[in-house]
Amino acid sequence: GNSVTQMEGPVTLSEEAFLTINCTYTATGYPSLFWYVQYPGEGLQLLLKATKADDKGSNKGFEATYRKETTSFHLEKGSVQVSDSAVYFCALSDRGSQGNLIFGKGTKLSVKP
Amino acid sequence: ETGVTQTPRHLVMGMTNKKSLKCEQHLGHNAMYWYKQSAKKPLELMFVYNFKEQTENNSVPSRFSPECPNSSHLFLHLHTLQPEDSALYLCASRATLRVSSYEQYFGPGTRLTVT
Repeated sequence: GNSVTQMEGPVTLSEEAFLTINCTYTATGYPSLFWYVQYPGEGLQLLLKATKADDKGSNKGFEATYRKETTSFHLEKGSVQVSDSAVYFCALSDRGSQGNLIFGKGTKLSVKP
Repeated sequence: ETGVTQTPRHLVMGMTNKKSLKCEQHLGHNAMYWYKQSAKKPLELMFVYNFKEQTENNSVPSRFSPECPNSSHLFLHLHTLQPEDSALYLCASRATLRVSSYEQYFGPGTRLTVT
């Protein structure tokens, strides 16, 4: 079945460091891919998405490119801030299951000043 | 962000109590979801409703009873819960009629503690 695998956390970085959170997926067909972010005490917020191969999603300085050849959708940011501390979830749309989302386990990011 | 609201935000209940969680979406969506988020476990999809009809029940125990009176409101009725049911319960919604639009929008969640 379809699945999402993302790197184990926690990830701890200093402010202004470069961030990469790896995400790979297994899917039949052509899913849409998403990154969600969950700040402490809150629900999940859509951070960015890509709907087809080679699409690049971007928002708030974060980027991810839909790579079909490597079945990956890695999240990157050039210079993280303390306010980026949160849990990040990679997800794909399961078109075989009425479009339900399949989530990775989440990666906790802590950014130190 | 007020697109999807959930009440209450925090709930403490005993194992013999009956309570309900409420979710409301103001986005004009037609599908609504309940998820359970426990510490150190992946997000678990519980129920899916599309145009008020339940389309998915992921083997959820009967002590959880969902209700969807219309496309904007979703409830989760709780009774005789167990301590392991303590978790963050998240509601989400989606527009299923929009082509190639699969993103879901989440509420802030209800933090449930069963004592």
